[in-house]
Amino acid sequence: EVQLLESGGGLVQPGGSLRLSCAASGFTFSSYAMTWVRQGPGKGLEWVSAISTSGGSTFYADSVKGRFTISRDNSENTLYLQMNSLRAEDTAVYYCAKVAVSEIDSWGQGTLVTVSS
Amino acid sequence: QLVLTQSPSASASLGASVKLTCTLSSGHSSYAIAWHQQQPEKGPRYLMKVNSDGSHSKGDGIPDRFSGSSSGAERYLTISSLQSEDEADYYCQTWGTGNVFGGGTKLTVL
Repeated sequence: EVQLLESGGGLVQPGGSLRLSCAASGFTFSSYAMTWVRQGPGKGLEWVSAISTSGGSTFYADSVKGRFTISRDNSENTLYLQMNSLRAEDTAVYYCAKVAVSEIDSWGQGTLVTVSS
Repeated sequence: QLVLTQSPSASASLGASVKLTCTLSSGHSSYAIAWHQQQPEKGPRYLMKVNSDGSHSKGDGIPDRFSGSSSGAERYLTISSLQSEDEADYYCQTWGTGNVFGGGTKLTVL
């Protein structure tokens, strides 16, 4: 059974940093692209970032480009999202998800990030 | 630019059927999409992938009541024998130069 377990969320001040982790199990982690998706309060799903199987290719939404960095450790089956220069509008539940070809086919349970002074 | 368009809301009666639509922007009618369900206060759940030829493949444990189809640039999710737990937000998703999501359809079961 695929399991994706996010951690690292919390309350952070504007301008601060946070690092999210996603521990994966139940599938061959190194064989799948991975992605981060967020959902602000009362809003729809918003794609944040994606990474190829090897980590050699990364992709970012314009709203986070230059501030967030996605990475992965295939030896530890873990996906990361380093978030710097956080803004109030980054407040959201952050989900990690597994990508099969072009579609997301598994989701984590999410971790809440709150950016507030 | 790749855009997915969904109606904001839909409703149907308990036990009835409903068909939700996701429309791909011009020039992208060959794209496959995925449907995801998000019940209130829960995370999203993958339902199925729908290809341009109308074939679809469902996620593990998704009931037979859920099916997918296509016509041109439109991708459909049909839910039959509606149950109360089907009341949820439904999102379509595909990949362009990043993941792309539709705005979601809030389904109300009357």
